[in-house]
Amino acid sequence: DTEVTQTPKHLVMGMTNKKSLKCEQHMGHRAMYWYKQKAKKPPELMFVYSYEKLSINESVPSRFSPECPNSSLLNLHLHALQPEDSALYLCASSQEFEGWNEQYFGPGTRLTVT
Amino acid sequence: KQEVTQIPAALSVPEGENLVLNCSFTDSAIYNLQWFRQDPGKGLTSLLLIQSSQREQTSGRLNASLDKSSGRSTLYIAASQPGDSATYLCAVPTGGGNKLTFGTGTQLKVEL
Repeated sequence: DTEVTQTPKHLVMGMTNKKSLKCEQHMGHRAMYWYKQKAKKPPELMFVYSYEKLSINESVPSRFSPECPNSSLLNLHLHALQPEDSALYLCASSQEFEGWNEQYFGPGTRLTVT
Repeated sequence: KQEVTQIPAALSVPEGENLVLNCSFTDSAIYNLQWFRQDPGKGLTSLLLIQSSQREQTSGRLNASLDKSSGRSTLYIAASQPGDSATYLCAVPTGGGNKLTFGTGTQLKVEL
């Protein structure tokens, strides 16, 4: 099973709301990633977790707060977002971060900030 | 800094045609190269991963080649079908670890 699941599929939130995106994998992968993708652009890396520890933060604004409660789950907490944060948010996982292994992506969450 | 480009940016072909998508990267010190497919508004589907020691990788009608010395990879799609219509992205790990740098993408349309 090479599936990464993400919930919700779609999310509309106001600028004062707090919401969370969820990502789950059961492949035993120890690296998990959050990407942001704007229309007609390639994905841009936001965060990397390796063995449940934050390994990379690509200078993402603090209104995005990642969390890795266990090796299968990855959350992205959202607070006080701006309309320009509207995008497709993709989660991915790989066996290891240092192993340059194949990355598997989830279907994404389409976020609209009003 | 690794830069990855894909040419052409968009391609429209009739069904049944064989086609080649190109991916170029500026830093040839890569560990592997991964090809993805993305349908509109959806996530990325991994198609093929070529290790730096390999020259080719095949999966069904797809064949990917890698030439590290020239900084190029090609994705060959045989006997294209309308269901192949999607955006194709190549990506290489950059800067240590599995931090991917993506290409600019090729939007493919296969017409009946």
